[in-house]
Amino acid sequence: GNSVTQMEGPVTLSEEAFLTINCTYTATGYPSLFWYVQYPGEGLQLLLKATKADDKGSNKGFEATYRKETTSFHLEKGSVQVSDSAVYFCARTSGSRLTFGEGTQLTVNP
Amino acid sequence: EAQVTQNPRYLITVTGKKLTVTCSQNMNHEYMSWYRQDPGLGLRQIYYSMNVEVTDKGDVPEGYKVSRKEKRNFPLILESPSPNQTSLYFCASSLFSGWDRANTEAFFGQGTRLTVV
Repeated sequence: GNSVTQMEGPVTLSEEAFLTINCTYTATGYPSLFWYVQYPGEGLQLLLKATKADDKGSNKGFEATYRKETTSFHLEKGSVQVSDSAVYFCARTSGSRLTFGEGTQLTVNP
Repeated sequence: EAQVTQNPRYLITVTGKKLTVTCSQNMNHEYMSWYRQDPGLGLRQIYYSMNVEVTDKGDVPEGYKVSRKEKRNFPLILESPSPNQTSLYFCASSLFSGWDRANTEAFFGQGTRLTVV
């Protein structure tokens, strides 16, 4: 079936470090791809999206590029802040549904 | 303020005692969905609804029921809860399920933490 695989967490970084969270998806159909973020005690919020191959989604300094050849949608940020500490979920469309990855816990220390 | 509201936020109940978790959205969204979040498993979809009176099973529907009598409400019903339904539940809504459209995103409630003992 359609699925999404994220790199295992947790990830712990120092402030201003470079962040990469890997995400790969099963290569069925032509999905749209998303990153959602969940801050402590809250629901998920859309961070960025890309709807076709080679699209780059970006928001709040985060970026991810839809790579059809590697079936990947890795999340990157050049300089993380303490306020970026959260759980990050990669997701893909499956027809009328959204399928989420397992989530990656990110902790950024001062 | 545009929002998805779930109630209650926290609930402890006993095995077999029927319960309902309510979900309401004020954005006139067509599409609504329920997920459960468990450690190491991410979010798994329980049920979704494309519009009023239209519901369908997600990945883990066993033990749950839903209804969509009005556009704004999408309650989740556990007829006979069991301990394996202890989880964090999220309701989400979207304008429609055409995820390719530029302004489509899922809006999530704050979650309901359910414990079944």
